[in-house]
Formats: sequence, C-alpha cells, structure tokens
Amino acid sequence: DARVTQTPRHKVTEMGQEVTMRCQPILGHNTVFWYRQTMMQGLELLAYFRNRAPLDDSGMPKDRFSAEMPDATLATLKIQPSEPRDSAVYFCASGLGWTEAFFGQGTRLTVV
Amino acid sequence: AQSVTQLDSQVPVFEEAPVELRCNYSSSVSVYLFWYVQYPNQGLQLLLKYLSGSTLVKGINGFEAEFNKSQTSFHLRKPSVHISDTAEYFCAVSDPRGGADGLTFGKGTHLIIQP
Repeated sequence: DARVTQTPRHKVTEMGQEVTMRCQPILGHNTVFWYRQTMMQGLELLAYFRNRAPLDDSGMPKDRFSAEMPDATLATLKIQPSEPRDSAVYFCASGLGWTEAFFGQGTRLTVV
Repeated sequence: AQSVTQLDSQVPVFEEAPVELRCNYSSSVSVYLFWYVQYPNQGLQLLLKYLSGSTLVKGINGFEAEFNKSQTSFHLRKPSVHISDTAEYFCAVSDPRGGADGLTFGKGTHLIIQP
C-alpha cells in the first residue's frame, strides 16, 4: 500500500535550533506539497514542487524556512533558527499534478 | 486567487441521522474540488473528488457530494452517520491548470456524532 512517509513524527526542540523534516513521496508522483496546520490558521500551503522543481514557496517565511527536493524520493523542510511560533503540525503530501494529494502522517513540532 | 469557505465550524448530529457539511468556493477559473477527512493525530485522507463529468460524486465510507457551479458549492452528505464518522472534514479546491495556490483548504468542520 503506497503511502507518503514523514520523519520524525514528533520533534521537540529549543528555540534557535535547526529543525529538519523529511518526506518520502509516493513513487511516481510528480507533485510534492508542504503544509502547516495550526488551530488558529488551519492548513497553510508553505511550498510545492513539480518534477522536483520549486513552483511556489510564497507561503514560507523566507528568512528561516527552506524547502528542497534533492532527489525524487526525498523532500526536506528546514527551519533555522526555530522559534516558538513555528510550533505546529507539518504535513507533506504528494500527487499527480493537481488532481489530488496524498498526505503523510505529519511531523508535530514543538519549539520551547 | 481561490478560496474555500466551510460555513460550519462544528456540526453535532445524532447517530444514524443524515448529515450535510457545507462548502462554498471562490475561483475565477474552472476548479477541481475535494473533501478530506482527518481523524485525531492522523494525516488527511481523501474522501472524494470532483474533476469533471457527473456533478454527483460518490466517495468512501458512504459519503457523496454534489458540485453546483451556479452556487459555487460542493456540499458533502451522508444519509446515515456512525460514531466512527466523528472527525474533522476539510473541503479543498485547486486550479486544473496548476498555479501558485496549489490545493487551498477550508478551515474545516468538526463532525460530532452523538449516541
């Protein structure tokens, strides 16, 4: 059963530390999304890639967030330095174009 | 830019009663429409989607939705709910041509099933 895999599932870190979240998209999917979910803002699109090329990252705070796809099997989202307001659940999703998105289980990030 | 409005943040329903979760969208172009379900501490799971063709779409777990272009709506329905349907439901829209908005989600509706 193909699925999107995210690691780690949970991360607690101190303010100022670097955080890296990883995502393995479903094999054959050409679109990868990063979303952030909070109670206040709901689901926010941070960035997405088409055929590994970044198409849009206007939803990300550019000074501290970066998203990359070093190869077709790995997408990463980094926060440096992390801040308490970054505490949220971060979801990766993959799909074929914009016809749907399959979500991973998420990384719950807590910055103290 | 596209947007989604889910009119109810919370919907309480008795078990075995019918339910409708409302979703309206705003877009200047044709759209793809989706409903996702999220159980506690889980990712989002696709319930159903409308890409083209028949405006009545059937999904998993007995859910269905109807695309109404004139009313820009895509309401989700189930004729008889079960306790296991308690979850957060999200409506989403995307532009078939792609674009900067990706998949845009509504704020979600919490479906509460009462015994």
